[in-house]
Formats: sequence, structure tokens, C-alpha cells
Amino acid sequence: AQSVSQHNHHVILSEAASLELGCNYSYGGTVNLFWYVQYPGQHLQLLLKYFSGDPLVKGIKGFEAEFIKSKFSFNLRKPSVQWSDTAEYFCAVIVHGSGNTGKLIFGQGTTLQVKP
Amino acid sequence: SAVISQKPSRDICQRGTSLTIQCQVDSQVTMMFWYRQQPGQSLTLIATANQGSEATYESGFVIDKFPISRPNLTFSTLTVSNMSPEDSSIYLCSVLGLAGFYEQYFGPGTRLTVT
Repeated sequence: AQSVSQHNHHVILSEAASLELGCNYSYGGTVNLFWYVQYPGQHLQLLLKYFSGDPLVKGIKGFEAEFIKSKFSFNLRKPSVQWSDTAEYFCAVIVHGSGNTGKLIFGQGTTLQVKP
Repeated sequence: SAVISQKPSRDICQRGTSLTIQCQVDSQVTMMFWYRQQPGQSLTLIATANQGSEATYESGFVIDKFPISRPNLTFSTLTVSNMSPEDSSIYLCSVLGLAGFYEQYFGPGTRLTVT
């Protein structure tokens, strides 16, 4: 079965530190990749997505992610985090195959806490 | 992007009772989904709500426990039936973006506590 793994469950950083959150998926076929963010008290929002083309994708609020097909990874990065980046981050994958209905498979989530 | 509202935003229910959660979208969408997010865990797809036909349930979820209605292209309900404390979760609906590309937009969620 397809799965998505996020290696970091809880990350604590100081402001201006660099961020990298790991995401790996287990599927060898065509995939679409997403990062969602959930700020405290708010609903899930799409941060960025990869469908095709340039494997380095840029999202909102200075976030970017790199799709490395050979490593089945889609790590999220930000050069300098802010206190307002404190949130829960979810990696998600859609696999394409017979009967695909756009089903999103989510990772376990990573809680990012940024200290001012 | 679609604007999605859910009612109620939260509820505390007694075991053995049922709760119906409503999901309203501000535009017509073809696909709507219901997810569960248990405490400290990730999101798990319960079912895909199909307009004009029965919902498609994921493994581990059954219609008797989670009946779903989808009367039109902007509205769906999820009922959590015969609740137990294990059903305490956040329930979210989502829709597939109008532009396709499998982007999903999520509602604010319904926080359910079963006592």
C-alpha cells in the first residue's frame, strides 16, 4: 500500500534558522506531491504542489520543496523561519493508476514550533 | 479556490448518539471528500461523496457507521452513528479544486468529542 513518511514529528527552531522537513513516499509510479499547512486554529491550506516540470517548486510565504524522484522524496525547505511559521505541516501524495479518484495520502504531520 | 464551511464547528456528544456534520461549498464541485483526523494523528480519508450515487468508502469505514449524503454539487453531510469515545476526532470535508490538478481545499473541520 502507498504510504507517506514524515521523519520529523516535532521540530523546534529559533527565528531566522533554516528549516528542512523530510517527506518520503512509497510508490514507483506517477505521483503528485503536496505540502499542506495548518496554522493554530485555522484550516488546512495548500502550501505548494508538484505536478511536473521543474522539480524545485516554490510556494507561499517563502517555502520551497524539491522533488527527487530517485529518492522518493519531497522535502520542504525555508531559508529563514519566522515565529508566524509555527504550525502543523503535512506532506501528501496522490498516486496515479487505475481507479484513481484523486485520493490524497497524508503523512503523519510535523509540528513546527518557532521560538521568537 | 473554493470556500468551504462546516457545521457544527464543534460538539460534545454522548456515546450511543449520532451527529450529522454539514459541509457547504460556495461553488459547484464534482468531488467532495470526508476525512478524519484523530488526536495527534494525520488525516485519513473516510469516503468520497458522489453526487447522485452512494459514497465510496475507504477500507475500515462502512456506510452504517458513517452514512453520507450528497444531494447536490455544493452540499454534503456526514453522520457519525452510534458514537463511542473512539470517534472523538476532527472531521473535515474537502473538495477538488475547480482547476483540476487534484488540488484539494479543506473546510475548517468539526471537532467532535464523545463522552
